[in-house]
Amino acid sequence: GDSVTQMEGPVTLSEEAFLTINCTYTATGYPSLFWYVQYPGEGLQLLLKATKADDKGSNKGFEATYRKETTSFHLEKGSVQVSDSAVYFCALSDQGSLNAGNNRKLIWGLGTSLAVNP
Amino acid sequence: KAGVTQTPRYLIKTRGQQVTLSCSPISGHRSVSWYQQTPGQGLQFLFEYFSETQRNKGNFPGRFSGRQFSNSRSEMNVSTLELGDSALYLCASSLAGTVYAEAFFGQGTRLTVV
Repeated sequence: GDSVTQMEGPVTLSEEAFLTINCTYTATGYPSLFWYVQYPGEGLQLLLKATKADDKGSNKGFEATYRKETTSFHLEKGSVQVSDSAVYFCALSDQGSLNAGNNRKLIWGLGTSLAVNP
Repeated sequence: KAGVTQTPRYLIKTRGQQVTLSCSPISGHRSVSWYQQTPGQGLQFLFEYFSETQRNKGNFPGRFSGRQFSNSRSEMNVSTLELGDSALYLCASSLAGTVYAEAFFGQGTRLTVV
């Protein structure tokens, strides 16, 4: 079945360092790809998404490119801040049975904890 | 507009009991999905409802069930609780439940089974 693999954490960086969190996926068809972020004590929030190959999602200085040839969707940020400390989840949207209409479920990586030190 | 509201935020139950969790989606959203989050397994899909119909179901035992009402509010029920059911249960709503639609999450219900 479909699956998402992301790098294990925790990742600890100093402020202004470059961030990469790797995410690769296995899927049939053409899934949509997402990065969600979970700040301490809060629910999940969508950070960015890409719906087709070569799309680049970006938000708050983060970006990720949907690479079909390498089945990857790595998250990057050029200069992290203390406020970026959170858990980051890569996910793909499984289209399920097309005969059943536009139903969907999200399949998740295990999450990568990021701690940014001042 | 108001976000996704889950109640209660915290629950402590005893093995063998049952529990009902509630989720109120964002106004106008018709799709509600439920996920179980644990440190070891991460986020696991439970089920998705759209217009009161269950459209998709994850690989959980029949002790886990849910329903959706005509106002799109959803409940999930877990019967005969086991210690392993301790988790954060997250509800997400989306506008139309398509593969491209953003899912908005509530803060979750933290269930502890003792």
